[in-house]
Amino acid sequence: DTGVSQNPRHKITKRGQNVTFRCDPISEHNRLYWYRQTLGQGPEFLTYFQNEAQLEKSRLLSDRFSAERPKGSFSTLEIQRTEQGDSAMYLCASKAGATNEKLFFGSGTQLSVL
Amino acid sequence: GENVEQHPSTLSVQEGDSAVIKCTYSDSASNYFPWYKQELGKRPQLIIDIRSNVGEKKDQRIAVTLNKTAKHFSLHITETQPEDSAVYFCAAKYPGGYQKVTFGTGTKLQVIP
Repeated sequence: DTGVSQNPRHKITKRGQNVTFRCDPISEHNRLYWYRQTLGQGPEFLTYFQNEAQLEKSRLLSDRFSAERPKGSFSTLEIQRTEQGDSAMYLCASKAGATNEKLFFGSGTQLSVL
Repeated sequence: GENVEQHPSTLSVQEGDSAVIKCTYSDSASNYFPWYKQELGKRPQLIIDIRSNVGEKKDQRIAVTLNKTAKHFSLHITETQPEDSAVYFCAAKYPGGYQKVTFGTGTKLQVIP
């Protein structure tokens, strides 16, 4: 395993459609994060999983957003009824545990909502 | 929650000169401060980090300093090279909650050959 993998790399969708992104973290990492990054900004925290449990969600995460990590391995982020304001880079990151602070990021999924 | 401010937003230096990027954080309880480098079209990667019990840390041409009293920390890059050109993000981690990291808005560094 060479790192955090995200699919797809790019997604273009029409407003109102649903989209789903996938993140495969580094295999021994039990902590997984989703961030959103818009042009000229730093990554903004969306949600956090420890194993399969979703332990924290940002207020940025409206009810149109849902994330899962069913077996504590890969994670999915779904956006329902997409809006143009959802256009952004969605980054996934993982880390090994509470005492190991280093976050490993994936290459992200670039979402464009037309 | 934690708030991190970062300055400048853009920085141009001549190759070989030094570059300094500064960040401030709002929550005095934050205890971990990483710096990430993001090259164009690539993922953010950790380049150096510092914990709140340390005032300075150095790794080759990169150093980070932390002033807990003033709640600010800085990244110093010496002898800059063209491959240092990238966007740099500072971040702070609050120990409560679930340890999420809050990022600054980024500094675009351009090293002019």
